[in-house]
Amino acid sequence: DADVTQTPRNRITKTGKRIMLECSQTKGHDRMYWYRQDPGLGLRLIYYSFDVKDINKGEISDGYSVSRQAQAKFSLSLESAIPNQTALYFCATSDFGGSSYNEQFFGPGTRLTVL
Amino acid sequence: GQQLNQSPQSMFIQEGEDVSMNCTSSSIFNTWLWYKQDPGEGPVLLIALYKAGELTSNGRLTAQFGITRKDSFLNISASIPSDVGIYFCAGPPFRAGNNRKLIWGLGTSLAVNP
Repeated sequence: DADVTQTPRNRITKTGKRIMLECSQTKGHDRMYWYRQDPGLGLRLIYYSFDVKDINKGEISDGYSVSRQAQAKFSLSLESAIPNQTALYFCATSDFGGSSYNEQFFGPGTRLTVL
Repeated sequence: GQQLNQSPQSMFIQEGEDVSMNCTSSSIFNTWLWYKQDPGEGPVLLIALYKAGELTSNGRLTAQFGITRKDSFLNISASIPSDVGIYFCAGPPFRAGNNRKLIWGLGTSLAVNP
């Protein structure tokens, strides 16, 4: 079974709709991240969370919100989707301590299309 | 925001050839991470480097942490078709108390002709 899972894997929606992308992990990691990937722009950080009570904005948080429901679950919401939010979205996790705390582990991604 | 400079941007090689790519920064890094992304999938961690000068291998892959701490190199020997994908470098800048977010390169896209 995958350590980091994302649902749905693909989603097509219309402008103005509310969308939630979900991420679950069985790695036991405290830290979770949401990234967006666009061709030629690499990976850009949307939000990150270091524990259930901690939420931080990344470099492109406008138009997005997140919820950390439990250590293992981190969801990303688009309150009113717009076409330029069409992209690949990735969830990632990392451990809290030890020398490897910068290593991030990614889910398979959600391909979101906003029409 | 800050980004790492990866080169080359893309490569097209023959199966069996060796591949070299690098990642540079104007800032000092204390960790370098190399990831591979297959089409339609999430990035997968290949190699992590933690010390300047460190040389680490993972099968046919070898990566090095540059002595200046501002660069890193990834080499792939005897390439095979399944090496196709995008290779990313990433790392946290060396700022005390702020080793939390990774800075990412834009990737090197590798194509292998069988």
